[in-house]
Amino acid sequence: DAKTTQPTSMDCAEGRAANLPCNHSTISGNEYVYWYRQIHSQGPQYIIHGLKNNETNEMASLIITEDRKSSTLILPHATLRDTAVYYCIAGNQFYFGTGTSLTVIP
Amino acid sequence: EAQVTQNPRYLITVTGKKLTVTCSQNMNHEYMSWYRQDPGLGLRQIYYSMNVEVTDKGDVPEGYKVSRKEKRNFPLILESPSPNQTSLYFCASRRAWRPGLAGWGYEQYFGPGTRLTVT
Repeated sequence: DAKTTQPTSMDCAEGRAANLPCNHSTISGNEYVYWYRQIHSQGPQYIIHGLKNNETNEMASLIITEDRKSSTLILPHATLRDTAVYYCIAGNQFYFGTGTSLTVIP
Repeated sequence: EAQVTQNPRYLITVTGKKLTVTCSQNMNHEYMSWYRQDPGLGLRQIYYSMNVEVTDKGDVPEGYKVSRKEKRNFPLILESPSPNQTSLYFCASRRAWRPGLAGWGYEQYFGPGTRLTVT
């Protein structure tokens, strides 16, 4: 797996967009970028993935830079239930790292 | 409902007493794996299985065994648990796809977790 770097923690006001960055400068050309989240100590939940193009689904949007060395997960209107640890992974998903702990503030 | 189940959810045991944590998935996925999660260390893969009767070590396999006799089940076995195996354990199964010439893509489905304490 390519190494990924994420901030340890972030805060976001309820109703605002949460933008979670991830660096994956060693990603190879055919490796996907994935985002998962883990609420409390529940099992991680898949959010979205991308290869080169930006992606959007009902949960979030994923913006990948043209050189693919970084990406941003966007939660467009964060709610209190989005408070969780968010993991950015590139490659085979063997290692999840420690992610970004997002706190949505009322 | 597509899901991965694990049992038990909580377990307190003593050093050296063999235990098994069961894992089952109903999505007909070929790939299954076990992770442990410890504070500050993220999720680390213990073992994985590409298909029935095919298993391989992950990053932290010492002290664990697995078996894959059926596609849906992937039990984790601790033959002689020790306190350093106190952790939160997750089982996962994986859907794979490969569009065109791109690399393989994966979506993992995780179980609810098993919190194990070894005293």
